[in-house]
Amino acid sequence: AQKITQTQPGMFVQEKEAVTLDCTYDTSDQSYGLFWYKQPSSGEMIFLIYQGSYDEQNATEGRYSLNFQKARKSANLVISASQLGDSAMYFCAMRERRGSTLGRLYFGRGTQLTVWP
Amino acid sequence: DVKVTQSSRYLVKRTGEKVFLECVQDMDHENMFWYRQDPGLGLRLIYFSYDVKMKEKGDIPEGYSVSREKKERFSLILESASTNQTSMYLCASSLTENNQPQHFGDGTRLSIL
Repeated sequence: AQKITQTQPGMFVQEKEAVTLDCTYDTSDQSYGLFWYKQPSSGEMIFLIYQGSYDEQNATEGRYSLNFQKARKSANLVISASQLGDSAMYFCAMRERRGSTLGRLYFGRGTQLTVWP
Repeated sequence: DVKVTQSSRYLVKRTGEKVFLECVQDMDHENMFWYRQDPGLGLRLIYFSYDVKMKEKGDIPEGYSVSREKKERFSLILESASTNQTSMYLCASSLTENNQPQHFGDGTRLSIL
């Protein structure tokens, strides 16, 4: 079974609007971390935001926020006031806290976001 | 600033060749990773290493091997390249703590002819 599911292959949003990118995860660990990355067409992977499983508040980083719903096992990325430069592929990832797999991330298949003027 | 450097941005090799992809990080990270990225499949983990000379198989290790002789360097080796190994290869490194992100190199787009 997939550990990270991103159900939206593509999303479109108009400039200055907010957009939510969906992510659900599957783990039996109590301690884990959730990450979002952005990959522009140039190819580099840019870390955006992190949410720990024990964090009580939703993470925020500038225009990015993470809507963390632990009981539903979802970690949606919200981008406020979209800009043309936000057009990119977005990946959700999870890091479990287990011995031999310490440090590895499980990635979803990504959502291609297009921001139009 | 954080820096992960992959030796080549683009690489073209022939079927059957032995191919080396090099990755160097300057952040003294314990963990290093090799992924391949294919359209519609996201990032798939090939191998990772949590210490010098230590390695663990990821989800798709077949046809690949790795070497980590020094902490800062993690090499991916295609023993006998095949056309189905044409892909984007991404190297990453991270600290051990649970809340630390992985930092990625710019990727190597490898074509096997």
